[in-house]
Amino acid sequence: AQSVAQPEDQVNVAEGNPLTVKCTYSVSGNPYLFWYVQYPNRGLQFLLKYITGDNLVKGSYGFEAEFNKSQTSFHLKKPSALVSDSALYFCAVRDIRNFNKFYFGSGTKLNVKP
Amino acid sequence: ETGVTQTPRHLVMGMTNKKSLKCEQHLGHNAMYWYKQSAKKPLELMFVYNFKEQTENNSVPSRFSPECPNSSHLFLHLHTLQPEDSALYLCASGTTYNEQFFGPGTRLTVL
Repeated sequence: AQSVAQPEDQVNVAEGNPLTVKCTYSVSGNPYLFWYVQYPNRGLQFLLKYITGDNLVKGSYGFEAEFNKSQTSFHLKKPSALVSDSALYFCAVRDIRNFNKFYFGSGTKLNVKP
Repeated sequence: ETGVTQTPRHLVMGMTNKKSLKCEQHLGHNAMYWYKQSAKKPLELMFVYNFKEQTENNSVPSRFSPECPNSSHLFLHLHTLQPEDSALYLCASGTTYNEQFFGPGTRLTVL
């Protein structure tokens, strides 16, 4: 079965510090992995994806993610956090046997304090 | 704005009411999705339509009835809902190999 796990309900970081939001996955075959962000009263916004190629993926708003096959992880990172990065972050994996289906994690709330 | 719109943004209904949620995309995508988002739970995929044909029904109760008249429009018809159906309902669209684009959602409250 395809699944993702976000082990942290909440991550707190000070503005200007680096941030990491963790995601691990379980898939059969090569994973198609995604990160989305959700601001209050909004839908999910796409940040970045890994399909193939370089393990370090760069996305929107200065975010990047590192694909690690041996650890089955796809952690989201940013070198210097902003207060405006405070939001809910979701990791997702696409079912490669059924491309119509995505599996989402339960979300991690990121709090960036001034 | 992602190019996916949803109406209404908020809906309060009684358990005996019938209402409909609407989703519209003009991104040229072939697939459209309904998700349910409840607090502290993963997004629940409800239905998937691909080129207007329903390809997924994730064991959703029959009180939720989807309709996809064309590739740009998706509806979710609601009747005799329960209070536990209160949630944020998200619509998304996408193509076969790329990411999904989400609408802002409809906040549904069932009294």
